[in-house]
Amino acid sequence: NAGVMQNPRHLVRRRGQEARLRCSPMKGHSHVYWYRQLPEEGLKFMVYLQKENIIDESGMPKERFSAEFPKEGPSILRIQQVVRGDSAAYFCASSLRTAFLNTEAFFGQGTRLTVV
Amino acid sequence: TQLLEQSPQFLSIQEGENLTVYCNSSSVFSSLQWYRQEPGEGPVLLVTVVTGGEVKKLKRLTFQFGDARKDSSLHITAAQPGDTGLYLCAGSNTNAGKSTFGDGTTLTVKP
Repeated sequence: NAGVMQNPRHLVRRRGQEARLRCSPMKGHSHVYWYRQLPEEGLKFMVYLQKENIIDESGMPKERFSAEFPKEGPSILRIQQVVRGDSAAYFCASSLRTAFLNTEAFFGQGTRLTVV
Repeated sequence: TQLLEQSPQFLSIQEGENLTVYCNSSSVFSSLQWYRQEPGEGPVLLVTVVTGGEVKKLKRLTFQFGDARKDSSLHITAAQPGDTGLYLCAGSNTNAGKSTFGDGTTLTVKP
């Protein structure tokens, strides 16, 4: 029973390039959440998606960042024209289809993005 | 904006000592989670507490949720080097997938 799978584990991009981060939720989970973590800080919520729908994107920067969770395939967090300040660890979490209060979410191992 | 403050930020102790980590907020949360994160890895859920005053024990770890559901504590008895890591608390009011995280307590247990 595989957990939440994220790839790549490490990603290096030059300033101005695009970064694509992928997340495959746990089997049976259709709720996906993306978080960003800066060094020695906690995780900051970015976006909450269900299949083909963005439910809550209140934590997403207004520009350059987008997320999707298509009917088939993994969820994608896309960062266009990356800048050095985008360097961080990006974590994906998933929860059960019938997400309700107090549903537990499980995290992947993260993607470490470094912008040079 | 709901905030969670964790203290202390850093803690270094000897093996066998006891310790307590605190997580405080001015806001009420419906549930609160504690995670442990090791370098280069994602957070791993330790416990979820949902009822004010609730106490949960996980081997040498004791978790408490404040009566008003605004604060929580994690107590570790007889710490071991394997307890070393970043301990994060997170509160939620909708579902546990959308949570407010504290900045964590970095614990180092020296043999």
